[in-house]
Amino acid sequence: DTGVSQDPRHKITKRGQNVTFRCDPISEHNRLYWYRQTLGQGPEFLTYFQNEAQLEKSRLLSDRFSAERPKGSFSTLEIQRTEQGDSAMYLCASSLERGDTEAFFGQGTRLTVV
Amino acid sequence: AQKVTQAQTEISVVEKEDVTLDCVYETRDTTYYLFWYKQPPSGELVFLIRRNSFDEQNEISGRYSWNFQKSTSSFNFTITASQVVDSAVYFCALSEGGGGSEKLVFGKGTKLTVNP
Repeated sequence: DTGVSQDPRHKITKRGQNVTFRCDPISEHNRLYWYRQTLGQGPEFLTYFQNEAQLEKSRLLSDRFSAERPKGSFSTLEIQRTEQGDSAMYLCASSLERGDTEAFFGQGTRLTVV
Repeated sequence: AQKVTQAQTEISVVEKEDVTLDCVYETRDTTYYLFWYKQPPSGELVFLIRRNSFDEQNEISGRYSWNFQKSTSSFNFTITASQVVDSAVYFCALSEGGGGSEKLVFGKGTKLTVNP
């Protein structure tokens, strides 16, 4: 296992289209996180899962955003009716459940809405 | 509310210089974790260190060292004898509660450029 994998790495879409990103965490990690990073800013928390349960969602996650982790392994993040303001890097991270652990991040999916 | 401030937006140094990246945090919790991550141009955030709020010992790892001071709510990061490969954006982050890694609050980052 080489780490957290995200697909695609880059996505260009027209405003109003739907997009879906995939994240494959490190295999033994049962926690999975999504963050969004805009240019010149630090990552902002969107949501996180413990196994298949979505435990917390940020207010940043509007009703156009939905995340799933159906079998407690990979996760998808879907954005419906994309807007130019959705252009950002979407980062996925995973960690073990126990407290004395850090989150490992993937390389992200860069979304450009034109 | 939690907040992390990295006042230095960009720093430029010449190779072999020492450089300190500042991080100031705000939290109401007594139990929290502080982190530093490195983000090279490839985009992946690379974990550097995690420190819990009850452990104020400074830490050294090779050319890297961290100074945690609860009295000033600061968690500063020093690179000794900087190298070109240290060029990246560095983020300080905070997590409240006993879990450690969930819901990190990041600063805006400091872009470090090390010139040969």
